[in-house]
Amino acid sequence: EPEVTQTPSHQVTQMGQEVILRCVPISNHLYFYWYRQILGQKVEFLVSFYNNEISEKSEIFDDQFSVERPDGSNFTLKIRSTKLEDSAMYFCASKGAGLSGIQYFGPGTRLLVL
Amino acid sequence: SQQGEEDPQALSIQEGENATMNCSYKTSINNLQWYRQNSGRGLVHLILIRSNEREKHSGRLRVTLDTSKKSSSLLITASRAADTASYFCATESGGSNYKLTFGKGTLLTVNP
Repeated sequence: EPEVTQTPSHQVTQMGQEVILRCVPISNHLYFYWYRQILGQKVEFLVSFYNNEISEKSEIFDDQFSVERPDGSNFTLKIRSTKLEDSAMYFCASKGAGLSGIQYFGPGTRLLVL
Repeated sequence: SQQGEEDPQALSIQEGENATMNCSYKTSINNLQWYRQNSGRGLVHLILIRSNEREKHSGRLRVTLDTSKKSSSLLITASRAADTASYFCATESGGSNYKLTFGKGTLLTVNP
């Protein structure tokens, strides 16, 4: 069964450093998402991406964040200058074409900013 | 406003018993989805119910949706220790982005 994959599974970084989180969505999907979950809290929407551009972003997704789909398979989330409060689990998700349907989530990247 | 609020926040039952979790939301939705998360792990999709559906079954799972009350319930029958996890409802609302809004989740513990 196709699945969303994410790398790395864990990342530890120093405050102020740049991190890139990588995702490979399901191959025929068209909608891509990043969500995050701070420890013990609910999953929060960050950004949606469709047709090679951001279609919606949340208040959390400020200028420090960016997304890219550099080729036909990868979908990346970059945090330019990490803050302590960026420590969280980051999930990538993808959805197929058509009206509302299942979003498939990757296993997540646990980011720890020291 | 907060979308997708589950209750109870935590539920502890014995193996073999049924577990019921509830979710309320505030805005109109396209569909409501339930996900499961084992401690510190990824989100596993369980079931999706569309706004024009009232009930859906999948194995030991039964989901109901009452759009007039803006609420949903997830019933897990004949629970097993392996069902121990956090369960989240997520609503997909109007618009073309299909983003999900998650609730805070119910932590289910099934004791052997």
